[in-house]
Amino acid sequence: GAGVSQSPSNKVTEKGKDVELRCDPISGHTALYWYRQSLGQGLEFLIYFQGNSAPDKSGLPSDRFSAERTGGSVSTLTIQRTQQEDSAVYLCASSPDTEAFFGQGTRLTVV
Amino acid sequence: GQQLNQSPQSMFIQEGEDVSMNCTSSSIFNTWLWYKQDPGEGPVLLIALYKAGELTSNGRLTAQFGITRKDSFLNISASIPSDVGIYFCAGQLNGAQKLVFGQGTRLTINP
Repeated sequence: GAGVSQSPSNKVTEKGKDVELRCDPISGHTALYWYRQSLGQGLEFLIYFQGNSAPDKSGLPSDRFSAERTGGSVSTLTIQRTQQEDSAVYLCASSPDTEAFFGQGTRLTVV
Repeated sequence: GQQLNQSPQSMFIQEGEDVSMNCTSSSIFNTWLWYKQDPGEGPVLLIALYKAGELTSNGRLTAQFGITRKDSFLNISASIPSDVGIYFCAGQLNGAQKLVFGQGTRLTINP
């Protein structure tokens, strides 16, 4: 399909383990966002990539969280030493300019 | 700090009723977007507004870009069960590309 693809769709991990979440944006979209959403809550901004500019990391909750975007396309969100409070749905969105298009999200459960 | 205030946070209505929600800010926006999120899915774009005063409809949905450029509203007429979900406003601040999101309005329809 031509939409934003996230993988895995579900991830269960043990506390203390590292996890990597992947986002394949729509081809040609220069902007990419990561958000976190706890059950029934709003969208918590994590990080924003725009073209070749330095990413806006102002939403990352701790230094255990990092993200990269290789070649202006695929992005990976890494959470090190996961904690139970990291359990949430992680959403990725890409945008050509203004309108952002979201993936289905990755549901992360830390046990 | 919080740049967008979305209200109400939740709504409980009867099927067939009209719905109104809004977003306000102390800052000027160049773009307003309205999204809907169904359970287990990523948000989907409903309406995009690009000019102050613009009024746009999409079926039973109507949204307006406030004349001051600091607010927007979304109306849903004659609500039906499939309107249930979380509605988010989003916008681009004047001079910025990154989207900022409101906290969401959770719509519940009583049978």
